[in-house]
Amino acid sequence: DIVMTQSPDSLAVSLGERATINCKSSQSVLYSSNNENYLAWYQQRPGQPPNLLIYWASTRESGVPDRFSGSGSGTDFTLTISSLQAEDVAVYYCQQYYNTPYTFGQGTKLEIK
Amino acid sequence: QVQLQESGPGLVKPSETLSLTCTVSGGSISGYYWNWIRQPPGKGLEWIGYIFYSGSTSYNPSLKSRVTISLDTPKNQFSLKLSTVTAADTAVYYCARSRTLYGGTDYWGQGTLVTVSS
Repeated sequence: DIVMTQSPDSLAVSLGERATINCKSSQSVLYSSNNENYLAWYQQRPGQPPNLLIYWASTRESGVPDRFSGSGSGTDFTLTISSLQAEDVAVYYCQQYYNTPYTFGQGTKLEIK
Repeated sequence: QVQLQESGPGLVKPSETLSLTCTVSGGSISGYYWNWIRQPPGKGLEWIGYIFYSGSTSYNPSLKSRVTISLDTPKNQFSLKLSTVTAADTAVYYCARSRTLYGGTDYWGQGTLVTVSS
């Protein structure tokens, strides 16, 4: 199984400031035939199902605010929220879909400072 | 707008079989992967498995001996059976759709809490 490790486990950021969450995979999730990283980011607000934010490591899902961005390749990835809003309080998960079993990071809890 | 809705018993006795159904509305089963994912209370997400619209399946090896996912295309439904449950199987169970071309799991049900207890 590919192990996904996120850091930090929790994060407190002031409104309007930048939040950065890291995700590391135990093996590369870059598929050489199409040069795509099989990595997604999700936001899960309390009591809600996860919501897809980013796929292919850096492509924003339709309707997701542009303050959310994804970067990285191979085994190291980052989710950045450029200017934190109150509604961004949530747990964030990375997931690899390079091969099965699909695996998630342990989650990063984002709070307001 | 695609919607997914889980249904099934909220309480299952130990050693029995957990059975859930996901009904898909507002879209077709065709062309997608249909997943079951669970989340124990206060914990992270675990992928259980998927069924492709063609009927092929893939299961998490950690659960493979106990899991069956099936598809009822005319009813736009897919189902999960998890046998010989224990308290460790207590979780919110989500059904969700994954895309073939673009990747990512883009539509999720609201989730249903299944408690394993006598």
